Amino acid sequence: GNSVTQMEGPVTLSEEAFLTINCTYTATGYPSLFWYVQYPGEGLQLLLKATKADDKGSNKGFEATYRKETTSFHLEKGSVQVSDSAVYFCALSVDSGGSNYKLTFGKGTLLTVNP
Amino acid sequence: DGGITQSPKYLFRKEGQNVTLSCEQNLNHDAMYWYRQDPGQGLRLIYYSQIVNDFQKGDIAEGYSVSREKKESFPLTVTSAQKNPTAFYLCASIPHPRAQHRTGYTFGSGTRLTVV
Repeated sequence: GNSVTQMEGPVTLSEEAFLTINCTYTATGYPSLFWYVQYPGEGLQLLLKATKADDKGSNKGFEATYRKETTSFHLEKGSVQVSDSAVYFCALSVDSGGSNYKLTFGKGTLLTVNP
Repeated sequence: DGGITQSPKYLFRKEGQNVTLSCEQNLNHDAMYWYRQDPGQGLRLIYYSQIVNDFQKGDIAEGYSVSREKKESFPLTVTSAQKNPTAFYLCASIPHPRAQHRTGYTFGSGTRLTVV
């Protein structure tokens, strides 16, 4: 089956620090990979995505590269801000050609950025 | 602006009561999903519907029921059979089922259900 394992939190950083949140996956097939962000009390928003190996997704200063050889999709940002404090979810979807389409999510990583 | 509207934002349920959570979208999306979120457990799929008048159980469907009579609406009923319903419930949609391989979900802002 499909599964996503992401770095357990919480992660606490100072403003302008470098961020890495690790994500690895197992999939039966060739997945697309996603990072979602959830701000306090809200739903999830798509942050970035990559649909094939070596693709780099990027948005709002965040980046993640689809590494097929290591089955990873680590999220990085060079300089975090207080406003980046949120829960981050890694997710995958596999187009198996069947009828059972759904995203598989990791458990989420809480990031807190202090001024 | 198009989007997903979930209501109410907060809901309190007494023991033994059924409650219904509303999810409405004006995005013309075919597929809709209900997830439950608990601290430290991420998102777990309750039910999903890929087309009107059809829906499938997800990973934790016991104690829940849904209907999909209209494309725009996918209400979730939490029945008295659900032993631990206190959680944050999220509704999501995508244009059609196979689109999720290329695009992300659109999520609503959630309903927080508490049993009192």
